[in-house]
Amino acid sequence: NAGVTQTPKFRVLKTGQSMTLLCAQDMNHEYMYWYRQDPGMGLRLIHYSVGEGTTAKGEVPDGYNVSRLKKQNFLLGLESAAPSQTSVYFCASRGRAEAFFGQGTRLTVV
Amino acid sequence: DQQVKQNSPSLSVQEGRISILNCDYTNSMFDYFLWYKKYPAEGPTFLISISSIKDKNEDGRFTVFLNKSAKHLSLHIVPSQPGDSAVYFCAAKSLIYSGGSNYKLTFGKGTLLTVNP
Repeated sequence: NAGVTQTPKFRVLKTGQSMTLLCAQDMNHEYMYWYRQDPGMGLRLIHYSVGEGTTAKGEVPDGYNVSRLKKQNFLLGLESAAPSQTSVYFCASRGRAEAFFGQGTRLTVV
Repeated sequence: DQQVKQNSPSLSVQEGRISILNCDYTNSMFDYFLWYKKYPAEGPTFLISISSIKDKNEDGRFTVFLNKSAKHLSLHIVPSQPGDSAVYFCAAKSLIYSGGSNYKLTFGKGTLLTVNP
């Protein structure tokens, strides 16, 4: 029972580099979300998707792009990484009520 | 504008005693509330929830109370165990846009619970 799987678990980027974080869920959920967690800030919503082919901005979308080409996958892209994007990123998917989270990706931008 | 507030960054209790974690909210459109538990280096895991039409929900050692008039909810853990030591997030569900049908979860900043043996 995989649930929500995030790839990679850790990454170090240099400023200006790009990367894509992958989120995969096997629960056939329509909703998927990307959050970032920073010390003292809780979980803040970056982007979300309400179904295959749809994406929308959350609270802190700047510097990120997303795509949902397949229902089970939700990709988060950083085109030009900045030190302010150093964070732990969590993907979540949701059915009717509660959301299920992946184990997180710890990203450091130097 | 923080719509979900957990004003206590940390809480320390003795094993066997009650842990009470508090959460306040400002948005009256929230219709469903959830508590998540998070261990270090893991994703948050769902713990317990409550609909806005109820004032109490119980699941084993965990009980969530909702006071709508005060816009306050609390999570009670009885008895507390060392394995309960984690960060607890309060979350609230609301429509993303008024009149729409898509929902989002808004999280508080979390409370670090430490249960001492």
